[in-house]
Parts: sequence; C-alpha cells; structure tokens
Amino acid sequence: DGGITQSPKYLFRKEGQNVTLSCEQNLNHDAMYWYRQDPGQGLRLIYYSQIVNDFQKGDIAEGYSVSREKKESFPLTVTSAQKNPTAFYLCASSMPGLSSYEQYFGPGTRLTVT
Amino acid sequence: AQSVTQLDSQVPVFEEAPVELRCNYSSSVSVYLFWYVQYPNQGLQLLLKYLSGSTLVKGINGFEAEFNKSQTSFHLRKPSVHISDTAEYFCAVSPIIYNFNKFYFGSGTKLNVKP
Repeated sequence: DGGITQSPKYLFRKEGQNVTLSCEQNLNHDAMYWYRQDPGQGLRLIYYSQIVNDFQKGDIAEGYSVSREKKESFPLTVTSAQKNPTAFYLCASSMPGLSSYEQYFGPGTRLTVT
Repeated sequence: AQSVTQLDSQVPVFEEAPVELRCNYSSSVSVYLFWYVQYPNQGLQLLLKYLSGSTLVKGINGFEAEFNKSQTSFHLRKPSVHISDTAEYFCAVSPIIYNFNKFYFGSGTKLNVKP
C-alpha cells in the first residue's frame, strides 16, 4: 500500500536535546511538507520541499532544520533553539501537476519535551 | 495573502441531526478548496475538494460542501450525523498561482456528536 510513514508515534526528549522526526513516503511524490499542530491553531507550515536537494522555509521555520537527500525521505530536526517544541508534527506529500491536487498526510508524531 | 477562518471552534450536535461547519476564506487570487477530517492522534484524511465545475461537492462519509465565490465560503454539511463523525475538521485553501500546492489551513472545528 502506498502512503506516508512517520516514526515514532510518540517521542519524549529532555530540554536542550536535538531530536529528529522521520518521514518516509512511497507515493513517488515530488513535494513534501512538515506542519506543526497546536490545539486551536490549526496546522502551521514549518518547511517544504518541491524536489530533492531543495527546500524552503515555511511560516514557522525558526528552531527547525530539514534535509531532502532522497525523494522518499524528508526528516525534520527539532533543535534546542526551538523555544516551545512540544507539539504534534505532521508530514505530508503531494504531486504538483496531478489533477487530484491534494496533500496526503502521515499519522503524525507527538513530541513531548520536558 | 491568504487566510482561512473557521468561526466555530466546537460544534455539539445530537446523533441523526444535521450539521453545518462553516469556512470562510480571504484570497487575492483564485483558490482550490478542501475539507479534511482528523480523528484523535491521527493524521488528516481528505473529505472532499473543490477544484472546478459544480459548486456543490460531495465527499466521503456522506459529507458535502458548497463553494460560494461571492461570499468566499465553503461550508461543510451532513444531513444526519453519526457518533463516528466525532472528530476535528479542517478547511484549507490552496492558491492557484503556485506551481505547487501550498496549503493554508483554518484553525479547525471540533464536531462532538452526542447520543
């Protein structure tokens, strides 16, 4: 089955540590996205990538970093510079130019930093 | 600039009653419109979308939405809800000018269906 995998489902870290969230897709999509979800705030775009080896900052990129070395993988690192990292993180992908146009979402990773 | 407003953060409704979840948007360009559903601790699943054509769009699970360009609205409706419809619903727009589909999401509406 084609889809997006995010691991782990739950992640716990101590303050001051960097942590990397995994996102893998086997949909052969060119574009991939990372969103942060907080209660009552909807989804906010952190980073997006249109093609391999290229990515752009979204609306809330500070304290985060990404890489796109392979088409199917788009890991997100939450650095110690992110002031409030506890949140639900969602990865998505899409294929620009397809008539369906939609974004497909992974199951999410809930990060708790104490 | 684009923005999406979901005025109702929570909507309580009894089972088998009709429901409408409201979505208004602001955009200086034409947009595509989407509704997604999210069950607790899960990702988002597409309910329906408007790209072109008929302004009344039917989606999964008996939901439908109507695009009203003059009122810049895309309200979601279901004539009779079930307990299983309890979830959070997100409206999203994507400006057509982009050569890839950047999305802007509303803040979500939690639908609570009571027995």
